[in-house]
Amino acid sequence: NAGVMQNPRHLVRRRGQEARLRCSPMKGHSHVYWYRQLPEEGLKFMVYLQKENIIDESGMPKERFSAEFPKEGPSILRIQQVVRGDSAAYFCASRQATYNEQFFGPGTRLTVL
Amino acid sequence: TQLLEQSPQFLSIQEGENLTVYCNSSSVFSSLQWYRQEPGEGPVLLVTVVTGGEVKKLKRLTFQFGDARKDSSLHITAAQPGDTGLYLCAGDSDRGSTLGRLYFGRGTQLTVWP
Repeated sequence: NAGVMQNPRHLVRRRGQEARLRCSPMKGHSHVYWYRQLPEEGLKFMVYLQKENIIDESGMPKERFSAEFPKEGPSILRIQQVVRGDSAAYFCASRQATYNEQFFGPGTRLTVL
Repeated sequence: TQLLEQSPQFLSIQEGENLTVYCNSSSVFSSLQWYRQEPGEGPVLLVTVVTGGEVKKLKRLTFQFGDARKDSSLHITAAQPGDTGLYLCAGDSDRGSTLGRLYFGRGTQLTVWP
């Protein structure tokens, strides 16, 4: 039973470019969460999605960031016109419908030059 | 402001010692989860506690949820070098069936020396 998968594991972008991070939840999980981890700050919630719906995006910056979880395919976190402050580890987590036990992927480490 | 405070922030001990780490809040949580994270990897779920006063054991690890569901502790008996890692607690807000975001503490970095 494969766990949560994220790709790429490492992503390097120059300022102004776009970053696209992918997350495939565990089999049978229809709820996806994105978190960002900065050194010394811990994991911070960004957005919560179900298939084709954004449930809670209160932790996501209103500009340059967007997320989707289409009917088919992985969830995507997109960061447009990246800046150095976007450098961080981005984690995706998924859960089943009835329990809030969230299982995390290995993360994507974004470095903005 | 951090909703969950973990202490100590760093802990360095010798193999075979016992230790306890704490996770405290002024907020009530419907459930609380403990994770361990190693460098370059994602957090790995260790346990979920749901009921106030609940105690769960996982081999040498004992987890306790406070009676008021505001705090939790993790006790490790006879620590081993393989226990080294960042221990994170995370709470699910007490909002009934929202089942949404987790609030994380900053973690306790545990190092166990052979």
